[in-house]
Amino acid sequence: GDSVTQTEGPVTVSESESLIINCTYSATSIAYPNLFWYVRYPGEGLQLLLKVITAGQKGSSRGFEATYNKETTSFHLQKASVQESDSAVYYCALGDHNTNKVVFGTGTRLQVLP
Amino acid sequence: EAAVTQSPRNKVTVTGGNVTLSCRQTNSHNYMYWYRQDTGHGLRLIHYSYGAGNLQIGDVPDGYKATRTTQEDFFLLLELASPSQTSLYFCASSDQDREDTQYFGPGTRLLVL
Repeated sequence: GDSVTQTEGPVTVSESESLIINCTYSATSIAYPNLFWYVRYPGEGLQLLLKVITAGQKGSSRGFEATYNKETTSFHLQKASVQESDSAVYYCALGDHNTNKVVFGTGTRLQVLP
Repeated sequence: EAAVTQSPRNKVTVTGGNVTLSCRQTNSHNYMYWYRQDTGHGLRLIHYSYGAGNLQIGDVPDGYKATRTTQEDFFLLLELASPSQTSLYFCASSDQDREDTQYFGPGTRLLVL
């Protein structure tokens, strides 16, 4: 089936350090999956951080970047310099625009130390 | 941006109790979803709907019913709550056919004693 595997948290980094959260996917029933990163801040619902629909393309938002790599079936999330306000849970997901269904990873809790 | 609200935000009930979780979205989205989030699992789809009166079964539907009364309102019903249903529940909506970007509510934390 379709699945998403991401870095198991919690991940703890200091402010201004770089970050990578790994995400790999398996899309056995979706011919052309869309890939997402969602973020959930404390007390809030998930919100879309970035979305990429074409293999080989990079998405970016709020200093975060992720590249859709079809060869390695990966969609790693990176940021060059994190801030304390980036502390949240990050979810990698793959979507099927034909069925509107989305498969989520388990989430990675990020704690940024001041 | 879509506005999705959920109520209650927190709920405690006992085993065998009857619980209704409510979700409302105000941006005229067609699709609405109920998920549960548990440690070690991604969000798991319980039920979803693509319009008023429509209901589709998700991946973990056992023990849950749902009803979409209007385009705005989607309810999740636990008629005989069990401790295994203790979880964080999210409602989400998305716009139209072939649109998989979802907009989420803030979540309802349910504890079944």
